[in-house]
Amino acid sequence: SQQGEEDPQALSIQEGENATMNCSYKTSINNLQWYRQNSGRGLVHLILIRSNEREKHSGRLRVTLDTSKKSSSLLITASRAADTASYFCATGSFSGYSTLTFGKGTMLLVSP
Amino acid sequence: EAGVAQSPRYKIIEKRQSVAFWCNPISGHATLYWYQQILGQGPKLLIQFQNNGVVDDSQLPKDRFSAERLKGVDSTLKIQPAKLEDSAVYLCASSLGASGMGETQYFGPGTRLLVL
Repeated sequence: SQQGEEDPQALSIQEGENATMNCSYKTSINNLQWYRQNSGRGLVHLILIRSNEREKHSGRLRVTLDTSKKSSSLLITASRAADTASYFCATGSFSGYSTLTFGKGTMLLVSP
Repeated sequence: EAGVAQSPRYKIIEKRQSVAFWCNPISGHATLYWYQQILGQGPKLLIQFQNNGVVDDSQLPKDRFSAERLKGVDSTLKIQPAKLEDSAVYLCASSLGASGMGETQYFGPGTRLLVL
């Protein structure tokens, strides 16, 4: 089963614009991770935020987490054509076997 | 450092045939994962190993899928017999510890399987 649900399913923007993707989940988590997947580099880890954190930055990436709303957002500032990819949120839970559960992803297209 | 290696990269088989995929994780990574990714969806965990023991195989169709991790390093995933709905990309990933607790997963390039 997939816990995370990304929104929107697809996003098309111009280079230089900001891109925002959202992720909602259903059960309590201990961390949430964002991954990027493109044909050239496969699936790559971008950033992790723990349940006791509200915001994290990494380069042009900004992630927020609202555990009361069970949601997270990923902001990519000043997008580049190379950011074209599918973006997945993945949640880690306290219970079970400490696995990650991936959402269905947001497909981002950045046009030059 | 070398990444996660997978082979083959592509495989085409007919339904009811068998197929095997191989994965070599990053050296020193205790946890190894196999995912199935159907076109347009996110990766779905099939099985997770901690060293050479199975931690979670709750979503593995055990009537046709099997996996093993030899000596806590390399792993193979087998499908026998294959069905049309098994057409997907099979991803292998590894991490130092359990990623559900915050460890980063490192993914291989995947094996694209087409069942005719």
